Amino acid sequence: DAGITQSPRHKVTETGTPVTLRCHQTENHRYMYWYRQDPGHGLRLIHYSYGVKDTDKGEVSDGYSVSRSKTEDFLLTLESATSSQTSVYFCATTGTAYTEAFFGQGTRLTVV
Amino acid sequence: SQQGEEDPQALSIQEGENATMNCSYKTSINNLQWYRQNSGRGLVHLILIRSNEREKHSGRLRVTLDTSKKSSSLLITASRAADTASYFCGHPPQGGSEKLVFGKGTKLTVNP
Repeated sequence: DAGITQSPRHKVTETGTPVTLRCHQTENHRYMYWYRQDPGHGLRLIHYSYGVKDTDKGEVSDGYSVSRSKTEDFLLTLESATSSQTSVYFCATTGTAYTEAFFGQGTRLTVV
Repeated sequence: SQQGEEDPQALSIQEGENATMNCSYKTSINNLQWYRQNSGRGLVHLILIRSNEREKHSGRLRVTLDTSKKSSSLLITASRAADTASYFCGHPPQGGSEKLVFGKGTKLTVNP
C-alpha cells in the first residue's frame, strides 16, 4: 500500500458527534485525496489537497472538512456525523495529478 | 458530476475467457487510469494511458482510448479466478484541475 496508513480502520459513532479520520503517507506525495465508497456510487471525491494548507472541495463535500498542516498528514472531519455518512472512506496520494495514485486500506465508518 | 461510467456494472465469465470493460468520461483528459479493487481493499493501479496514446499493453491487460468518443476499454485476456475484483477507471480532468475522479466500477467475477 505504498506507505499510506489510514486510522482508524473501523469506527462506530453516534449521530451528531464529530469524527476525524487520519491519512498518513510516507511517500512525500504532494496530492492527497479523500473518497467515500458506497454501493451503486463507486468512489466519490470528498476533498483533496494539492499541498500543505492547500485544499479544495470535491463533489460530495457537504458535512465534511479537511486539514493538511504537514505534507504527510491529511485529516478528514465529519463535523456532526449523520447516518448518511455511514460509508467506507479511502485516502489516496499521488506525486502529480498525472501519475498513478496509491490508496490506503480504507476506514469503515458506521454512524448509528 | 464529473464521474465517468463503467460498463457493464457487473460481468461474470468462465476462467480462460476474455473480459472487456468499458469506461466513458465527460471532460477532456490528460490521461486515463485503470485500477483494480479486491473486496474490502483499497484500489491498486493497473495501467495509465495518455491522451495521445490509442492502445497500451501490460501483461494480459490491453487498454484502448478513443478521445473523440470519450471512452476507454480494458481487456483482460485468458482470465483467471484471481482476476475476480472490481475495476475502476479514473482520470484527472483537463484544464489545470488536480482532482482525480473515478467511475462507478465494473464488478468482474471469474468462475473456475
